[in-house]
Amino acid sequence: GQNIDQPTEMTATEGAIVQINCTYQTSGFNGLFWYQQHAGEAPTFLSYNVLDGLEEKGRFSSFLSRSKGYSYLLLKELQMKDSASYLCAPMDSNYQLIWGAGTKLIIKP
Amino acid sequence: GAVVSQHPSWVICKSGTSVKIECRSLDFQATTMFWYRQFPKQSLMLMATSNEGSKATYEQGVEKDKFLINHASLTLSTLTVTSAHPEDSSFYICSASREVRLAGGPGETQYFGPGTRLLVL
Repeated sequence: GQNIDQPTEMTATEGAIVQINCTYQTSGFNGLFWYQQHAGEAPTFLSYNVLDGLEEKGRFSSFLSRSKGYSYLLLKELQMKDSASYLCAPMDSNYQLIWGAGTKLIIKP
Repeated sequence: GAVVSQHPSWVICKSGTSVKIECRSLDFQATTMFWYRQFPKQSLMLMATSNEGSKATYEQGVEKDKFLINHASLTLSTLTVTSAHPEDSSFYICSASREVRLAGGPGETQYFGPGTRLLVL
């Protein structure tokens, strides 16, 4: 089957760094997306990895290891507005995104 | 770029009525559009995938006669919830897929509309 494993909830302090891990199993693989979803809103695109390694984009970086079925999202210099759910979504061989429940990130002052 | 709009953002209706939700890609032509439903504190659930000019592909368990999808152009898809009932109350989100052929860029990224909250009384 296809599944995604992310922590349900994480808490971090404003200004700090947090790493959200994701392990996945899919039927085929065409890359992995990270989305941010604030409460009551639709997801917004953060990053896409299809090759192994780290992709850096401002305060956010995303890492992928295809052989391990593992990815992480790294958020630096955390701000209160980063409080949201972070969704790891691998794309399977049919180019369908597989969605989990995401990780709710709580930022404290 | 890659802006997707949805209308309306909120709908409250009586049980038995039909509700139409529009999804538009404003600044790009979408090869594919997707319709999702999300219940509180749950993951996104894909309902159907639609390509312009062809019939939508529905996920298992989604009634195609109840959730009518029309994808009339490369920038517009509509979802009609026919004879809505209270259990259809949910957050409906569309996304539009944009093919991006850039070095190191995503092949097809889904960009989401702001969502439509449906409350059926």
